[in-house]
Formats: sequence, C-alpha cells, structure tokens
Amino acid sequence: DADVTQTPRNRITKTGKRIMLECSQTKGHDRMYWYRQDPGLGLRLIYYSFDVKDINKGEISDGYSVSRQAQAKFSLSLESAIPNQTALYFCATSEGTVNSPLHFGNGTRLTVT
Amino acid sequence: SQQGEEDPQALSIQEGENATMNCSYKTSINNLQWYRQNSGRGLVHLILIRSNEREKHSGRLRVTLDTSKKSSSLLITASRAADTASYFCATDARGFQKLVFGTGTRLLVSP
Repeated sequence: DADVTQTPRNRITKTGKRIMLECSQTKGHDRMYWYRQDPGLGLRLIYYSFDVKDINKGEISDGYSVSRQAQAKFSLSLESAIPNQTALYFCATSEGTVNSPLHFGNGTRLTVT
Repeated sequence: SQQGEEDPQALSIQEGENATMNCSYKTSINNLQWYRQNSGRGLVHLILIRSNEREKHSGRLRVTLDTSKKSSSLLITASRAADTASYFCATDARGFQKLVFGTGTRLLVSP
C-alpha cells in the first residue's frame, strides 16, 4: 500500500547497535501499529498507537521502543539489537472506526548479525 | 500467543480449481478478517466478517464464520495463478483493530 511507507526496505546491522525503523502514512489515519513477522509464526503485535499521545505495548514489546512524532509518523527502535530480532517488520494504519481494516506498508527486512 | 490457527499450512492446486482455507480461533471476537500477502510484501485486506454474520461474498471470495465452533473458512473460486500468495486470518476481539493473526496458509496456483 503506497500510502504507508516504511524505510529502510532492508537493513543489516550488528549485535548491540541501535537501529530505527520509520513509518509514514498519507492516509490521515489516527491509529498506527508495528508488527513483526517470523516464518511459521505469523504476525505479532509489538506496539500500537491510537493517537499521538497514546502508545501501548503489544504482545512482544520487550527490546523495542516507539515514538509517535506526528499523526503521520510512527518509528520503531531497537535499542540494542540482538540476532533473534531478525525478522520482517510491518507498519500498519487504520482509520479507527469499528470494523475498519488495517493498511500495511511493504515492510522492512531486518537482519542482525 | 497466536489466536488463529490456519490449515492447511500449504495448498497446491491447478488454475480453475477452488481453494479452501480454514481458520480456528480461541476466544470470542467482534470480527474476523482475511488478508493476502504476496511474497515479501505487505498484507492486503481481503474481507471482513462480523461476529453476527455467517457468510460474506466479495467477487471470487466467500467467507463463512461459525462462532459456535470458533472457526472460519475462506473459499477462492476459479483460482488463478495470480492468487498465489499467503493468506492470513486475523481476529479482532473488540472491534478496535488490535488484530491477532494466524500463522497463514501458503497457496500455490499452477497454470
């Protein structure tokens, strides 16, 4: 979905490095999400934000932090990357009405060596 | 923890055949959604079915929901090679878009 843009598309980093993944959207949605995808495990929710002042932990928030800089921007940080954080990371948005779907970016493939 | 479990994990069919994927979940839901993911790309929303609905159609897609069995199925009729993708179910317990995804079904449609 071109309206949800993630940068970078691919990143290789070393253990212990700090890394930030960025997400921006032009859909005007208040709600934004970060998921990670691992083979065989589907997608798991890391953090979500229902508006600029609202940040919530998801299922697997340990080792991650987020920043909601504006309605359109939601960043995910790994303070000290470790190899088991190697995964495909997705940002998503929703308009927030009941029963509205998620709109996903194309993902960031992160490898921690 | 995963809410949805899908089966089969992988499905291989010929063009023109129908493909059926199943999803089971554990807790009560407000709605259940199906998404498609082409290799290495973001997920795309296909269809949403509310907990008070039993069947929904969208083009070649048919979704059923049985809340008593906590299960759903996605049927793709007259499959095309372009339908090759992974398909995920996702449950929304309260309608607030905090979705919990299943592990997905990989569909391969051969010409």
